[in-house]
Amino acid sequence: QKEVEQDPGPLSVPEGAIVSLNCTYSNSAFQYFMWYRQYSRKGPELLMYTYSSGNKEDGRFTAQVDKSSKYISLFIRDSQPSDSATYLCAMGQGNTPLVFGKGTRLSVIA
Amino acid sequence: DGGITQSPKYLFRKEGQNVTLSCEQNLNHDAMYWYRQDPGQGLRLIYYSQIVNDFQKGDIAEGYSVSREKKESFPLTVTSAQKNPTAFYLCASKDSIGTGHTEAFFGQGTRLTVV
Repeated sequence: QKEVEQDPGPLSVPEGAIVSLNCTYSNSAFQYFMWYRQYSRKGPELLMYTYSSGNKEDGRFTAQVDKSSKYISLFIRDSQPSDSATYLCAMGQGNTPLVFGKGTRLSVIA
Repeated sequence: DGGITQSPKYLFRKEGQNVTLSCEQNLNHDAMYWYRQDPGQGLRLIYYSQIVNDFQKGDIAEGYSVSREKKESFPLTVTSAQKNPTAFYLCASKDSIGTGHTEAFFGQGTRLTVV
């Protein structure tokens, strides 16, 4: 079993839809959780970052962590064509390197 | 502006040549990382360094070498021993855990192609 599992998609939705992206993990020692957005041929940029179980909201984005189920989600409300990108989940513990999911490719169709 | 600078953006290598990818950061971060990204494979860790003059192998270190002589710089050499070097290479940096900031920041990547 891989440490972090993420459905690679691709996921295609109409503009304005609510998007749900998910990752599961096996290592209960992970302490912090992140979502990155990566446009084609660019470096990943940090979207959301949280330590604890529960929800964290930032504009149209909500990150959700359920440590008991080892499951994290990213919700995008009112999705826009500019949200079309690959979304990577990442998690870590202490000073060890982050562990990344493989990324989900999202297309938002106008 | 604070950030991570990778150069060059595009690099072409002939079979049997060594090439060095540059990564510089002015974020005063302790830790630096090199990842390789191939289609459908996600990010795979090549090498990382938590402190100057020290570095550790990641999951796919064979055929690569690094140095960390300065806090700001973490160059990656792709040697002729790397059999399939064509990929997108990403450098990242992260502050130490003691500061409470654990998120990693990435450069814009170097696309290496073997010709």
